[in-house]
Amino acid sequence: DAGVIQSPRHEVTEMGQEVTLRCKPISGHNSLFWYRQTMMRGLELLIYFNNNVPIDDSGMPEDRFSAKMPNASFSTLKIQPSEPRDSAVYFCASSLIVATSGYNEQFFGPGTRLTVL
Amino acid sequence: AQKVTQAQTEISVVEKEDVTLDCVYETRDTTYYLFWYKQPPSGELVFLIRRNSFDEQNEISGRYSWNFQKSTSSFNFTITASQVVDSAVYFCALSEDYNTDKLIFGTGTRLQVFP
Repeated sequence: DAGVIQSPRHEVTEMGQEVTLRCKPISGHNSLFWYRQTMMRGLELLIYFNNNVPIDDSGMPEDRFSAKMPNASFSTLKIQPSEPRDSAVYFCASSLIVATSGYNEQFFGPGTRLTVL
Repeated sequence: AQKVTQAQTEISVVEKEDVTLDCVYETRDTTYYLFWYKQPPSGELVFLIRRNSFDEQNEISGRYSWNFQKSTSSFNFTITASQVVDSAVYFCALSEDYNTDKLIFGTGTRLQVFP
């Protein structure tokens, strides 16, 4: 089975440009998470969706960041305009939440390494 | 507030040594889950173990073992007879809400195993 798919794997852009990161979760999973990893702040949860609905976006750093999940098999994280401090690795993860079954493992994608010059 | 602390930023050992990675957590909930993930140099995050707060039994999987102690809020990870392939960053994580699966990660411990 395919795991979580992220594209692109690497992105280099200039300050001020719009950046769109893409994620395809594992088929059948109902929750999707976007994380950001930096040296300074480690792994941070930015936003997560359940059944395509954003549940908690308190980790989104500012209005320049937005995320959508138009259907169960696709999500985007957009940064507009991008800034050098947005340079990081962005991970997408998915899981299948069943309310009565306890915690469900999150499967992570390979990440997108973003560099903003 | 929930928090995960990995005080060891970096550990270096020589192959075949045993090494323990420390993890201390803070939570107000009585039901929670603890995890370890491995991030090798290639960058992906690999799930290693999940432990719920009601199960304090230690777990062993091959050369890996985990010691969960609620009394000290710790969930330490030991690698026995370390190998070069164990070189990676290891993250401890906490989830309080299994309805949402939100994970709070520690800052990670970089393990370097030298031949």
